[in-house]
Amino acid sequence: KAGVTQTPRYLIKTRGQQVTLSCSPISGHRSVSWYQQTPGQGLQFLFEYFSETQRNKGNFPGRFSGRQFSNSRSEMNVSTLELGDSALYLCASSWGGYATNEKLFFGSGTQLSVL
Amino acid sequence: KQEVTQIPAALSVPEGENLVLNCSFTDSAIYNLQWFRQDPGKGLTSLLLIQSSQREQTSGRLNASLDKSSGRSTLYIAASQPGDSATYLCAVRMDSSYKLIFGSGTRLLVRP
Repeated sequence: KAGVTQTPRYLIKTRGQQVTLSCSPISGHRSVSWYQQTPGQGLQFLFEYFSETQRNKGNFPGRFSGRQFSNSRSEMNVSTLELGDSALYLCASSWGGYATNEKLFFGSGTQLSVL
Repeated sequence: KQEVTQIPAALSVPEGENLVLNCSFTDSAIYNLQWFRQDPGKGLTSLLLIQSSQREQTSGRLNASLDKSSGRSTLYIAASQPGDSATYLCAVRMDSSYKLIFGSGTRLLVRP
């Protein structure tokens, strides 16, 4: 069974640009959540999608958005990039989502560098 | 506001030693607690999940305990091996919002 796949693995962008990251969950999983990891702030929750609906959202500005498709694949978009958006972006999948006692399965992440 | 703290931030031990990693949280209204492992530049691997009604979980050489009332969890690693070298993170899922809040991790080095 294939794991969680995130593409691209690395991205370099300049300030003001926008970026789209992709996450393909484990087959059969319906929930995808996104996290930002930086040396200064650690791991922070961005949002979670379940069956194409955003069910939960962290404390990030509106420049961070996402969506989930009918095949459960998810995309995350960051507009008007800032230097502080440089981070490792991780996605995780599970079958039932947050209100279950299920383990999360993480992808290897997308390393975004904003110059 | 929930705060999750992990002490120590870094730990270096010789191979074969038993060790304990600590995680504390300020709000006991949690749904569950998970321990993860992260290798450099990689994603997280879930090690153990303890439901709020449980006291401990075991998997192989790993044992995690949870004391909700005192806001503490420990991860016990028996007979450590160099392959255990990684950063270990704990995360609590809140009971009301279901948001997942991570600690800052303990970086473990097991010396051969």
